[in-house]
Amino acid sequence: SQTIHQWPATLVQPVGSPLSLECTVEGTSNPNLYWYRQAAGRGLQLLFYSVGIGQISSEVPQNLSASRPQDRQFILSSKKLLLSDSGFYLCAGGLLGSVGNTIYFGEGSWLTVV
Amino acid sequence: ELKVEQNPLFLSMQEGKNYTIYCNYSTTSDRLYWYRQDPGKSLESLFVLLSNGAVKQEGRLMASLDTKARLSTLHITAAVHDLSATYFCAVGGGADGLTFGKGTHLIIQP
Repeated sequence: SQTIHQWPATLVQPVGSPLSLECTVEGTSNPNLYWYRQAAGRGLQLLFYSVGIGQISSEVPQNLSASRPQDRQFILSSKKLLLSDSGFYLCAGGLLGSVGNTIYFGEGSWLTVV
Repeated sequence: ELKVEQNPLFLSMQEGKNYTIYCNYSTTSDRLYWYRQDPGKSLESLFVLLSNGAVKQEGRLMASLDTKARLSTLHITAAVHDLSATYFCAVGGGADGLTFGKGTHLIIQP
């Protein structure tokens, strides 16, 4: 079965500092990969998705970026964090083209920008 | 633009009672997903519904899909405290991922 590993689990960063969140996938090849953000309270906002190495699509304009250097690795970055970047970041992956498959989520990364 | 609406957004109920969470979506989709999220945790996949009339059950939870009405329901039977969580429905099926509802925060009291 598919497993999503994500780290770090928690981090507190000052405004203006850089960010790097990493995600790796086990148990499947060539997955679609996603970064979601969940602000305090609820809703999940899709930030980026990738269908293959080096292929990144952005859903919302922001000071974040994503990269996929390897098939099962997905990285979320920022050069300078803003207070509004605080939230719960979730990496997800799946093979939605296959019947019955779902998206699985990593454990999440809590980011607090101070 | 695909929109997914859940109701209620907040539900407090007593153990032993039955209740239903509703999920409406705005455009045609033949796949509907339900997830559970415990406080401070990630999302756990509950059900994937793939066709009109699909029904799936796991323990006290049963999910159904009516693609013609663009409606899915998550029914809770004889609720127990352990089912307290936030439940999300999501729609989509392409490479660009899933669109989620805002979630239903469910509290089950003894």
